[in-house]
This record gives sequence, C-alpha cells and structure tokens, in this order.
Amino acid sequence: NAGVTQTPKFQVLKTGQSMTLQCAQDMNHNSMYWYRQDPGMGLRLIYYSASEGTTDKGEVPNGYNVSRLNKREFSLRLESAAPSQTSVYFCASREGISPNTGELFFGEGSRLTVL
Amino acid sequence: GENVEQHPSTLSVQEGDSAVIKCTYSDSASNYFPWYKQELGKRPQLIIDIRSNVGEKKDQRIAVTLNKTAKHFSLHITETQPEDSAVYFCAASARRGSTLGRLYFGRGTQLTVWP
Repeated sequence: NAGVTQTPKFQVLKTGQSMTLQCAQDMNHNSMYWYRQDPGMGLRLIYYSASEGTTDKGEVPNGYNVSRLNKREFSLRLESAAPSQTSVYFCASREGISPNTGELFFGEGSRLTVL
Repeated sequence: GENVEQHPSTLSVQEGDSAVIKCTYSDSASNYFPWYKQELGKRPQLIIDIRSNVGEKKDQRIAVTLNKTAKHFSLHITETQPEDSAVYFCAASARRGSTLGRLYFGRGTQLTVWP
C-alpha cells in the first residue's frame, strides 16, 4: 500500500518550459489536491478535485492546470514555468468531499526550481 | 474565503516543558480544525483534529482546545521531547458554497525542543 505517490521528486526547469507533475493514490479516495509550500507561507491550495470528473480552483491557481485522469490520478501542469513557481509541491488525497471525512494524506513532495 | 492566522512563527522550549501554538480563523461557519506536523524534509501528517461540537480533545501528550466564540484554537504539547521538533500547521475547513471541501492552512510554527 503506497498511499500517495508523486513524481518527479526533483526537477529543474528554465523559464518558459513546461512540465507535468504526476500524482496517484491507491486508497480509493474521492478527493485529491495540489498544494504548494513556500518558506513562511504555509500550504496553499492550487487546485483540487472533489470527485472524479470535477476540478476547482484553489487559492493560487494562476499559471497552473490540472487533470483528474481517473479516480486514482491527478496531474498538475505548468504550461510556461516562471521563477515564482519555484516551490515544493505536495499532492494529497482524502476519502470524501466533506471537510469532516478525515485526514489529508500527502505525497512526499516534488521540489521544483525554475531558473 | 477562510483566513487562518498562526502564532508564533518560531518557538523554542527546553525538553520537558510545554509548548502552545495558537490559531485564529475568520469564517464562523468553519467546523473542522486539524493540526499537521511536518518533520524536516518530510510530508505533513495529521496529529490531531477537533470538530466544532467539542471544546477539547486529548491524545497522550497532545491536546487541542477550541473557542468558537472567539474563533481561535490552540495546540498544547506537554512534556516536550526532541522528536517533537518540527513545523506544525493548523488548518480550518471551509463550508461555504464553492469552497466546500477545502482546508485553509496557517503559515506554520517551527518548534525546536532543546535537550
């Protein structure tokens, strides 16, 4: 049981390049999330998917797109990377769409550097 | 949306002392308040949570208190140990309309426990 798996763990991009962060969970969870973590800023929600087939913007969606490929997978795409997108990205999942259905399970994180 | 403020940003205590971290929230309809611990280089993990129909919850050396009237909640760690050293995040659920299902995080508290 791997939990939440995200790839790659590390990536260096040049400004303007594109890339996709992949995330998969094997817990049969309905909701999946992408957060970014910057020093002193906590965890900020980029996009989330409350259930298969739906996606919604979070607090900081600009410059990103997402795809809920199926119930297991939720990818995050940077179409034209900018230095401001240098961050650690966490994928997370939870069982239900309600805030009261338990904890968020996080992946190990992906450290992205944009030069 | 919800605004969660967390204090202090850093906290140093001697081993065996208590540590208290405080958070305030803005949405009076929020009803779920988890705390996450993130050790250096690792993923955030849930350590305790509380729902708005409960004023206090304990789990061994960790306790969380909630004051709905004042819209603040606190994490209390007693008999601190060096392995408690980590960044702690509070969060609050969003319950209104299109933001249902989101968790809003505080900016984190770096706790250091000195032996």
